[in-house]
Amino acid sequence: EVQLLESGGGLVQPGGSLRLSCAASGFIFSSYAMSWVRQAPGKGLEWVSGITGSGGSPYYAESVKGRFTISRDNSKNTLFLQMNSLRAEDTAIYYCARVSGGNSYHTYWGQGDLVTVSS
Amino acid sequence: QSVLTQPPSVSGAPGQRVTISCTGSRSNIGAGYDVHWYQQLPETAPKLLIYANTNRPSGVPDRFSASRSGTSASLAISGLQAEDEADYYCQSYDSSLNGYVFGAGTQVTVL
Repeated sequence: EVQLLESGGGLVQPGGSLRLSCAASGFIFSSYAMSWVRQAPGKGLEWVSGITGSGGSPYYAESVKGRFTISRDNSKNTLFLQMNSLRAEDTAIYYCARVSGGNSYHTYWGQGDLVTVSS
Repeated sequence: QSVLTQPPSVSGAPGQRVTISCTGSRSNIGAGYDVHWYQQLPETAPKLLIYANTNRPSGVPDRFSASRSGTSASLAISGLQAEDEADYYCQSYDSSLNGYVFGAGTQVTVL
């Protein structure tokens, strides 16, 4: 059974940093690209960042480019999102998701982790 | 505003058929990138509903169907049931943005 479990969220002040983790199990982690998708309170889904199975070619939404860094440790089946220079508008539930298919759909999702940026 | 445009809400009586549109542009749907659909029940993570324009994952009822044409796509729910009350999102890839894009979501209400 595929499982994705996010952790590391919480309350942080504007300008601060936070590192999210996503522990994966039930599949060959290194064989799949992964994404982070977020959802602000009462709002829709926003894709944040993605990374290939090998860890190369990370890509980002314009809204987080230069502030967020996606990475993965395939030896530990874990995906990360390092978030720096956080802003109030980064407040959201952050989901990690497994990407499948050449044209890339998100097959499995974690339960999400809340990040709140507030003073 | 979202790159993919969806109606904010649709509603229908039990048993009826409703459709949700997803309108893109030449850099996403119109460029040939597939459209995928997700269902998000209240207070839960999104769930893949349709992938690659028309395909249902195992376990998704055949009441759900989808199509794509030109720069648009649509999701249809036939035989609407109370359990279908949820938010529905379309998703594709955008070559101008070099990333995935979601519609703003459509709330389906069963009257």
